[in-house]
Amino acid sequence: QKEVEQDPGPLSVPEGAIVSLNCTYSNSAFQYFMWYRQYSRKGPELLMYTYSSGNKEDGRFTAQVDKSSKYISLFIRDSQPSDSATYLCAMPSGNTGFQKLVFGTGTRLLVSP
Amino acid sequence: ETGVTQTPRHLVMGMTNKKSLKCEQHLGHNAMYWYKQSAKKPLELMFVYNFKEQTENNSVPSRFSPECPNSSHLFLHLHTLQPEDSALYLCASSQDYSQPQHFGDGTRLSIL
Repeated sequence: QKEVEQDPGPLSVPEGAIVSLNCTYSNSAFQYFMWYRQYSRKGPELLMYTYSSGNKEDGRFTAQVDKSSKYISLFIRDSQPSDSATYLCAMPSGNTGFQKLVFGTGTRLLVSP
Repeated sequence: ETGVTQTPRHLVMGMTNKKSLKCEQHLGHNAMYWYKQSAKKPLELMFVYNFKEQTENNSVPSRFSPECPNSSHLFLHLHTLQPEDSALYLCASSQDYSQPQHFGDGTRLSIL
């Protein structure tokens, strides 16, 4: 079993839709939960990260963590074509802060005008 | 320049060639990282340097040789690579281990 599972997509939505991107994980010791966005031919860009369970909002983006289910989500409201990218979830592993990150394979999102 | 810069952006090499990838960060960070990103696979951490000292080698084959002459520069020396080494190689940096990593745009490597 992979430590972090993520549906590769692609997930295709019309502009203005609410998007839900999800990851499941197996290691109950994970405490931080991160979301990166990667545009084509670019490196991953940190969107936001949360500690433990609960929600965190940043503009149109909301990160949600359910540790009891080992399930995290990233919601995008009023999606735009510029949101078309691959979204990677990541979790720091071990006791070395953010040194060792375990990544999902990424979900490709396509937002059509 | 700001951020994390990687050169070259694209590299095609034969299996017997020797080449180097370069990473430079202008963020004043102290930790630097090399990752491999292959299609349909998660990012794989290869090496970690903290204050120029290697702190992590994630069982990487010896045909990959990292070098960190100072906290701003990181190199990945390549020698006798295999076709399965074709991938996007990403460099990242962070202030220290308590802060998230910032990535460069990678070098797309193709082995003929």
